[in-house]
Amino acid sequence: ETGVTQTPRHLVMGMTNKKSLKCEQHLGHNAMYWYKQSAKKPLELMFVYSLEERVENNSVPSRFSPECPNSSHLFLHLHTLQPEDSALYLCASSQDFLAGQYNEQFFGPGTRLTVL
Amino acid sequence: KNEVEQSPQNLTAQEGEFITINCSYSVGISALHWLQQHPGGGIVSLFMLSSGKKKHGRLIATINIQEKHSSLHITASHPRDSAVYICAAVSPDKLIFGTGTRLQVFP
Repeated sequence: ETGVTQTPRHLVMGMTNKKSLKCEQHLGHNAMYWYKQSAKKPLELMFVYSLEERVENNSVPSRFSPECPNSSHLFLHLHTLQPEDSALYLCASSQDFLAGQYNEQFFGPGTRLTVL
Repeated sequence: KNEVEQSPQNLTAQEGEFITINCSYSVGISALHWLQQHPGGGIVSLFMLSSGKKKHGRLIATINIQEKHSSLHITASHPRDSAVYICAAVSPDKLIFGTGTRLQVFP
C-alpha cells in the first residue's frame, strides 16, 4: 500500500464518451502529478499540481482536463479521446514541488485505459 | 536519439547473480531517479541521487556527473527483483524518463 490510490483500475471507453480518472493521496503531500505510460514508450509527465494550482502542463491535448479540488484529490477528465490515448495513466504525489526540482514521488497503481 | 538511454533493454539472470543496469543521459541534470515498476504497473521510487553512491539493502546506485552516466546494481539477485527498472533525469526544466530495463531473475 503506497498511500496513493487510483480509481478505476481499468476503463474501456468509446471515442465519444466522457469519463474521469480519480486519484487520492493519504500522505499529506502538497504536490500531485499525472503521467501517461504508453506501450514501448517512456513515461510522460502530463500535469503537475502544487498546492492545488497547476504548475506544469506539458503540451497535453485539451481532451485531457485535470482538476485538483484539494491537495488530497486529483482528477483527469477525459472527453473525445482517440485510440492512441490508450495507455496506463499513473498518478503520483510528493511532499512539495519546487520549479525545476522533482523530489521523491509516490505512485498509485495506475488506471489502464482502452479507447475503442 | 533519446536524451536518456538505458541498457540493456532486457536482462535475464539466475538467482544469486550480480546485476548491473546502465543509464546514460545527454543533458545537464541536477539529480537522477531510479524507479522500479512491477507487473501490473505499480511504481516504487528506489533512489534519488545527484552525486556519488547510495545503498539500500541489496541495491546500490552510482552516478558519475562528468561522464553523464548512472548505474543500478543488484547484489544476490532474487526472483522477486523481476521488474522494469526506469531511470529519470531531472534537467533544469523537465523530468526525462528512460524506456526502462526489463529484468527477469529465474530461480
